[in-house]
Amino acid sequence: DAGITQSPRHKVTETGTPVTLRCHQTENHRYMYWYRQDPGHGLRLIHYSYGVKDTDKGEVSDGYSVSRSKTEDFLLTLESATSSQTSVYFCAIRGTSGSNEQYFGPGTRLTVT
Amino acid sequence: GQSLEQPSEVTAVEGAIVQINCTYQTSGFYGLSWYQQHDGGAPTFLSYNALDGLEETGRFSSFLSRSDSYGYLLLQELQMKDSASYFCAVHHSGGYQKVTFGTGTKLQVIP
Repeated sequence: DAGITQSPRHKVTETGTPVTLRCHQTENHRYMYWYRQDPGHGLRLIHYSYGVKDTDKGEVSDGYSVSRSKTEDFLLTLESATSSQTSVYFCAIRGTSGSNEQYFGPGTRLTVT
Repeated sequence: GQSLEQPSEVTAVEGAIVQINCTYQTSGFYGLSWYQQHDGGAPTFLSYNALDGLEETGRFSSFLSRSDSYGYLLLQELQMKDSASYFCAVHHSGGYQKVTFGTGTKLQVIP
């Protein structure tokens, strides 16, 4: 158990509203990631962070922003939610220094109506 | 960019052996990982190969050929609980330990 929690676990929101998803880890890991998972696409990287205030874009970053003001929290914001952002969102952390393993949180199921 | 190919579905019999293949195209290749995901659950790490050859972890083994841009996951003595989706993922130099996942192979184990 890598001590990763995500909140909320489920959310339904309307098109055009802002949404923030939270990822919290308790083990002081440096690297954190946000993925979305959709049928037929596997897991796609949205944004990642390599330290406090250090973030970078992944392959599907349009419409998303992130912030990391503390080591333990990595926030994903949908600035104006669209139906195409209906998905399951997973946060992940990279294991201890030198590790190649990623540990995933339980996921957030987001529905944009 | 990066691309990975793996079969979308595989069916195998309980107690048998199954191999799930993964071919990839990437620049700055570091290694290949495998993850398991049960329906409704989160992906869990299975293995990582950076060098050519076979890595064994219990009933699961993973193989990598860097020259062929190819790897596979081998599951032996299949159990019903092995029914899940399996993802290969390339680690590449497109930033700080970026990982690109394949679209997954859904394994169904039948009695």
